[in-house]
Amino acid sequence: DADVTQTPRNRITKTGKRIMLECSQTKGHDRMYWYRQDPGLGLRLIYYSFDVKDINKGEISDGYSVSRQAQAKFSLSLESAIPNQTALYFCATSDGLVETQYFGPGTRLLVL
Amino acid sequence: SQKIEQNSEALNIQEGKTATLTCNYTNYSPAYLQWYRQDPGRGPVFLLLIRENEKEKRKERLKVTFDTTLKKSLFHITASQPADSATYLCALDMVSHNAGNMLTFGGGTRLMVKP
Repeated sequence: DADVTQTPRNRITKTGKRIMLECSQTKGHDRMYWYRQDPGLGLRLIYYSFDVKDINKGEISDGYSVSRQAQAKFSLSLESAIPNQTALYFCATSDGLVETQYFGPGTRLLVL
Repeated sequence: SQKIEQNSEALNIQEGKTATLTCNYTNYSPAYLQWYRQDPGRGPVFLLLIRENEKEKRKERLKVTFDTTLKKSLFHITASQPADSATYLCALDMVSHNAGNMLTFGGGTRLMVKP
């Protein structure tokens, strides 16, 4: 079984809808991250959490919120989706020792 | 400001040759540098880490060099194969948090190995 899983893998939604992307990990890592990737722009950090009680904004947090329900679960919400949030979203974890990150398979989101 | 630069143009090479990818950075002194592989539509996968006090690291057909004076890392794949075709990302611990550093990723270079 994969160490880092994301659901859903693909999602099509309409402008203004609220959606949630979920991430679960079995690696036992405290640190979890949400990134978005757009063609030509690389990986950009949205939010990160170093433990259950620690949530921090990343480079591009506007329009997003997160919830760290447990050490193993970190959810990303788009409160009111807009078309420019169409992207590939990745969850990642790390143990915080040398910051090697382990990525999930990604969620491809299309906002119409 | 801190910056990581990777060649955004694809690198096309013939099978069997050595592929060399470059990662340059500015205005920072990282403790380590990492390389990841990303296949289309999939998450990046960690390949190698090299520390600031290491000049070179090898793993099978992969070799990474790290020159902290020139602020440059080279990533080599010897005896390249079509299966090596992917995008390769470098990452450095550029962002400080009160609990430690975090990675910042470069934009990646796409490698195409032709049979």
